[in-house]
Amino acid sequence: DVKVTQSSRYLVKRTGEKVFLECVQDMDHENMFWYRQDPGLGLRLIYFSYDVKMKEKGDIPEGYSVSREKKERFSLILESASTNQTSMYLCASRTGTPYNEQFFGPGTRLTVL
Amino acid sequence: SQQGEEDPQALSIQEGENATMNCSYKTSINNLQWYRQNSGRGLVHLILIRSNEREKHSGRLRVTLDTSKKSSSLLITASRAADTASYFCATAGYNQGGKLIFGQGTELSVKP
Repeated sequence: DVKVTQSSRYLVKRTGEKVFLECVQDMDHENMFWYRQDPGLGLRLIYFSYDVKMKEKGDIPEGYSVSREKKERFSLILESASTNQTSMYLCASRTGTPYNEQFFGPGTRLTVL
Repeated sequence: SQQGEEDPQALSIQEGENATMNCSYKTSINNLQWYRQNSGRGLVHLILIRSNEREKHSGRLRVTLDTSKKSSSLLITASRAADTASYFCATAGYNQGGKLIFGQGTELSVKP
């Protein structure tokens, strides 16, 4: 079974802090994704990566950056956390075939105070 | 952008009843996928139906796709309390750059 893990289930940070959210997948998938999920807004794509060292902006990249130095790991970085980044963050991975299903991690609920 | 519209937003039924959720979309698609999300958890892929398919089954799940109406439905038969979750449709479209576009979801509550 594909396993996608995220570094924390719950995280509390202060405004202005630099925050790292880590995602690791164990199925040698080429593509990885970061979403945020908010009530009434559904899932919104922040960034995605088709391969190592490659990244593409999603629908809401402002305030975020990403890093993919190894195939299995995709990191989401909040350079200076703000309260409006309080959200559930979901990581997903997929094979290189663009229309295949995605496999999701358990999510990180981030609270920025 | 969210192109999937799901209906209803919330559904409450008794155990043993069937649950039907609908999804509409706007663009040309390669396939449509359904996912389940238990409260506070990640999404789990349930079923994928390709644009040249009209119906697909997986256990107690039945998915239909009508590309002329740009709509899909998910039927869960003989529901159980463990089916309580949010259900999302997601489209894999030809002009979406390899991205999935998710609907807002239907929140299903199955009462024992």
